[in-house]
Amino acid sequence: GAVVSQHPSRVICKSGTSVKIECRSLDFQATTMFWYRQFPKKSLMLMATSNEGSKATYEQGVEKDKFLINHASLTLSTLTVTSAHPEDSSFYICSAHAGAGANVLTFGAGSRLTVL
Amino acid sequence: GESVGLHLPTLSVQEGDNSIINCAYSNSASDYFIWYKQESGKGPQFIIDIRSNMDKRQGQRVTVLLNKTVKHLSLQIAATQPGDSAVYFCAETPGNQGGKLIFGQGTELSVKP
Repeated sequence: GAVVSQHPSRVICKSGTSVKIECRSLDFQATTMFWYRQFPKKSLMLMATSNEGSKATYEQGVEKDKFLINHASLTLSTLTVTSAHPEDSSFYICSAHAGAGANVLTFGAGSRLTVL
Repeated sequence: GESVGLHLPTLSVQEGDNSIINCAYSNSASDYFIWYKQESGKGPQFIIDIRSNMDKRQGQRVTVLLNKTVKHLSLQIAATQPGDSAVYFCAETPGNQGGKLIFGQGTELSVKP
């Protein structure tokens, strides 16, 4: 079946530094990927839609200069949290449609970011 | 505004009993709905989906019911097992929005042995 891989699974960084999270579709091509953010005991909140070869589409209230998204290939999207602060600590999850025409979104295992 | 919500934040059931998790949605334009299961520290896992032109769909031990009249979705789990303990989310795809999913609040299911 379709697999979406995220790396790293856990990252701890100092306040003010930038952190990059990778999302890869392992056995299919994904022209579109989605980035979600999840706080403890809360639901997933869509941050942005990552489009291969073009700019990402951000949801209302999400700072595009804070959360940089790059989708340079059909199998890789990256999310960079710039100048991270403790309030950016969260669980970041990416997803992709499992192949062209697929309706179901396959999710990665998530990346836990802790900013000290 | 658009929202997908759940009636119960927590649900505790006895092993072997049936579980019913409910969800209300507000966007009548949504045409596709999915239930996901999320275990602690992991990403959501697909359980079952249903299109708006259906009112019931069955899988292995799970059934999803859709009532478009009252904008209500439910997930039924038969013979609930300890391995079913997790948070369950319903999600909807608003029509013509590029396939993005909007998630509900989630219900934490706890199965007592």
